[in-house]
Amino acid sequence: AQSVTQLGSHVSVSEGALVLLRCNYSSSVPPYLFWYVQYPNQGLQLLLKYTSAATLVKGINGFEAEFKKSETSFHLTKPSAHMSDAAEYFCAVSRGIQGAQKLVFGQGTRLTINP
Amino acid sequence: DTAVSQTPKYLVTQMGNDKSIKCEQNLGHDTMYWYKQDSKKFLKIMFSYNNKELIINETVPNRFSPKSPDKAHLNLHINSLELGDSAVYFCASSQDWNNEQFFGPGTRLTVL
Repeated sequence: AQSVTQLGSHVSVSEGALVLLRCNYSSSVPPYLFWYVQYPNQGLQLLLKYTSAATLVKGINGFEAEFKKSETSFHLTKPSAHMSDAAEYFCAVSRGIQGAQKLVFGQGTRLTINP
Repeated sequence: DTAVSQTPKYLVTQMGNDKSIKCEQNLGHDTMYWYKQDSKKFLKIMFSYNNKELIINETVPNRFSPKSPDKAHLNLHINSLELGDSAVYFCASSQDWNNEQFFGPGTRLTVL
């Protein structure tokens, strides 16, 4: 069975500081990994995805994530936080089932940006 | 143009009632999904349809019944609503199994 663990339900950083959101996965097959962002009272939006190509993945809004198989990790980073980055972030692992995609989400990490 | 839309956005109802949530996507995707997000923000897949065929059916009470009249629509009907059904329900769609899912804005269901 696949699973995802996000370390830290709440992360708080100052504006301009480095953002690091941690994600570890468990998968018996090579994983497809995703980071989604959820702004207040909205649906989820894809930030970036890893699909077994380059291990360093760049996404929208200056975010990137590095796939490390030896550490079973897919941490999300951004060099300089902006106030607009405040949101809930979800890491997810997926597998295909007859054309559908079963996403298993982590618990989510709420990112707060301090001015 | 809205890619994935859901109606209604808010739904407040009494225990025991039956209600439906509708979802439509205009992206031409083959696969649609329903997710439940609880009060702790935990997201869990409930159902998935691919070309109107039920593919994923997680451990969900049979009071929940999805219906897909065509590829662009996936509705969720809930019978005999219970307090524990209160949550935000998200619809999503994707073209195939290794691409991103596009999420609707969610329907906040409150059962009193």
